[in-house]
Amino acid sequence: AQKVTQAQTEISVVEKEDVTLDCVYETRDTTYYLFWYKQPPSGELVFLIRRNSFDEQNEISGRYSWNFQKSTSSFNFTITASQVVDSAVYFCALLVSGGYNKLIFGAGTRLAVHP
Amino acid sequence: DTGVTQSPTHLIKTRGQQVTLRCSPISGHKSVSWYQQVLGQGPQFIFQYYEKEERGRGNFPDRFSARQFPNYSSELNVNALLLGDSALYLCASSLGGGQIETQYFGPGTRLLVL
Repeated sequence: AQKVTQAQTEISVVEKEDVTLDCVYETRDTTYYLFWYKQPPSGELVFLIRRNSFDEQNEISGRYSWNFQKSTSSFNFTITASQVVDSAVYFCALLVSGGYNKLIFGAGTRLAVHP
Repeated sequence: DTGVTQSPTHLIKTRGQQVTLRCSPISGHKSVSWYQQVLGQGPQFIFQYYEKEERGRGNFPDRFSARQFPNYSSELNVNALLLGDSALYLCASSLGGGQIETQYFGPGTRLLVL
């Protein structure tokens, strides 16, 4: 079965705190792709990052970093020095490919950053 | 570059009615996917179209249908609306033709069924 679990429903932090959003996935595929999207109150899903299963190198982009660990089937997302503009719902997703591409999303984690 | 556009932004319908939602992909993208996002949940895959052909369908009833036009825009139709169809409907576009592609989403259409 293909599944994405985001156990944290809501996280509340004060500005400048670091915060990590957890994502655990399940798949039997040996090749797969993982994504993170951000959904601000406007509703649009904003693409943040894509990783493939054969590249476990962690990535840093500005205040964002991602930790991909196949051994634990996790793809966690950390925001350093959080800002109020980071407040949004964050979704982790698994790409299922079999003639077409389908994203399987987790339930999302709502992040509230307070000044 | 213009991103994915969707219309209308909001819609209110009553049970039993029919609705048509529209999506225009990013210029140069040939594939369109539709997702339904019920409040408090992650998006659920409905359809994917590429070159006017349905490539994939999620676990949705036949009341849901879609099509893609020669200019790669797409429509999602829902017949015999139920209260449970109230959701944010998201359209995503991707280049199309490739095996693994990033999907870029539009702002969505918020449908409320009364």
